[in-house]
Amino acid sequence: NAGVMQNPRHLVRRRGQEARLRCSPMKGHSHVYWYRQLPEEGLKFMVYLQKENIIDESGMPKERFSAEFPKEGPSILRIQQVVRGDSAAYFCASSPRVDTEAFFGQGTRLTVV
Amino acid sequence: QKEVEQNSGPLSVPEGAIASLNCTYSDRGSQSFFWYRQYSGKSPELIMSIYSNGDKEDGRFTAQLNKASQYVSLLIRDSQPSDSATYLCAAKRNNDMRFGAGTRLTVKP
Repeated sequence: NAGVMQNPRHLVRRRGQEARLRCSPMKGHSHVYWYRQLPEEGLKFMVYLQKENIIDESGMPKERFSAEFPKEGPSILRIQQVVRGDSAAYFCASSPRVDTEAFFGQGTRLTVV
Repeated sequence: QKEVEQNSGPLSVPEGAIASLNCTYSDRGSQSFFWYRQYSGKSPELIMSIYSNGDKEDGRFTAQLNKASQYVSLLIRDSQPSDSATYLCAAKRNNDMRFGAGTRLTVKP
């Protein structure tokens, strides 16, 4: 049973470009979380999704950031018009039920130059 | 703002000693609690889950939960240099899972 798969592992974008981060949850998991982590800091919640629904996006900036989890395919975190402050590690986690533990993917390290 | 608080450390213990990591949470509605280990440059790895008051043991790890005091702890017995990492505490209420900033543990040979 494959774990949570994120790609790409590393992503470099110039300021103003779009970054698209993908997350395939573990098999049987329909709950997906996205977190951002700056160096030497904790995990900051961004968004929680179930299949085809955004349940809680309270941690996601209202501009430039969006997320989706379509019926088919991976969850996508999209950052438009990236700025240097977007440089961080973005982690996705999935869980089989709302009240159980979540398992993390390897993360995408985004660098904006 | 629902918060999870941890001492940032660093916490340094000699090899073979017991490492004690503590965490408090502010949301009394939190139902599930987790400890994750994160090595530098890597992703968080789940090491313990605890859902009810009391102790839960798994190998060298023991998680303790006291909901009345809103307190969770992790004990690592016979600490090894390979346990050196940042330990993240998480509290979950339904879909809302929040993390502490982590405690950096160093186990010295």
